[in-house]
Parts: sequence; C-alpha cells; structure tokens
Amino acid sequence: EIVMTQSPASLSVSPGERITLSCRASQSVNTYLAWYQHKPGQAPRLLISNASTRATGVPARFSGSGSGTEFTLTISSLQSEDFAIYYCQHYNDWPTFGPGTKLEIK
Amino acid sequence: QVHLEESGGGLVTPGGSLRLSCPASGFTFSDYYMSWVRQAPGKGLEWVSFISGSSSFTKYADSVKGRFTISRDNAKNSLYLQMDSLRAEDTAVYYCARVLIGGMIPDYFDYWGPGTLVTVSS
Repeated sequence: EIVMTQSPASLSVSPGERITLSCRASQSVNTYLAWYQHKPGQAPRLLISNASTRATGVPARFSGSGSGTEFTLTISSLQSEDFAIYYCQHYNDWPTFGPGTKLEIK
Repeated sequence: QVHLEESGGGLVTPGGSLRLSCPASGFTFSDYYMSWVRQAPGKGLEWVSFISGSSSFTKYADSVKGRFTISRDNAKNSLYLQMDSLRAEDTAVYYCARVLIGGMIPDYFDYWGPGTLVTVSS
C-alpha cells in the first residue's frame, strides 16, 4: 500500500496570504494525485486531479504541481472560505488518502 | 447539478447491523462507479468499497471485507451499504462518492455527499 503523508499538519495563516501545502507518497504515483477541500459537516470537494488539473468551478487561486513522490497545493491569496482541511489522495493503485492539513485563521 | 445525500446512520451496538442509503441525482447514475468512504473521529479518509455501474464489480477494504456489502439500484438511482457485525472501530462518518475510472481501478472521487454518522457503542 502506498502511504501518503502531508505537511504541515496544521497551519495558522491570515487572509490574503499565499500558502503552499505539501503531500508526499511513499513511492512514485506519477501524476495520479488529487486534492480535496473539506469543511466540517460538508461534503468534501474535489479541487485538483492529475496533480495539476483544476476541477470544474475551482477558482484559479488554487494550483497543484508535482510528480513522482512530491506534490504541492498552492493557494495564491487566501480567502475566508478557504479555511478548511485539505487532503491529497493518490490513484496510481488502489487509492489512499493523506492525513490532511488543517488551515486555520490567524 | 450532481447531488448525493446519505441517510441511515445512527447508534448501533457492537455486532449489530445498519443499512446506509445514498440517492443520487443530476447525472446518469448507471454510467458511474460509486463508492463509500469513511472518516473515523480524529482520523483521515478511508475508502470502504467500490461498485461498478452495472454492479458486476465490487471491491472492499480489508477492514470491512466479509462484513459490509455494497449494492446499487440503478432504477432508483440509489447506492447502498449493508453493514453487519459492526465493531467499535467502524464508528465514522460515511460518505458516498461518485468515482471516475481511468482504467481497471478507481481514480478519484469527483462528487461527495455530506455524510452520515455511524456510531457503534454499547
């Protein structure tokens, strides 16, 4: 099983800041990597697939990059609605998720 | 637009059973794989089971194999999860999700429901 790790576990930031979240796979997953946003009590939302392709309706301030074992999700200018937990998930084999990064308001 | 909404969660004693339902709308249900994904308290996301559009293929996580059964009724546009022999470690929010398939295995989950809480406790 491919193990996904994410860093940091949590991040306290101010609206308007640019942030980069990291996701690492225990072995290469090529670009078979998705990112999700999850707010408490709501349905998780697909943000990015294939490491860098934004899902329909996702604002351009969200961007993904990486390949192999190292991936990043960047939010160029944080909005109030972006405070949530972000998960990565590989699909190079049967999918597994990372533990998540929680974005909190500073 | 795509809408998924789970129901059927609740409190059940260890060894008990529960059946989750997930009616779907906004897309041609039979064209898509569907899945159940869960999140235990304080833990990350874990896929539980997948089912193909025709129900010809199903797969389960090792943690639930032999105890959970996924099914679907394409005439009713609904997904189900029959959960038997429930354990305390099955306590979680259960989400239904639409799955995109690129080859022989599922890729990613493009739409999710808001989840239903299952609590297994005496």
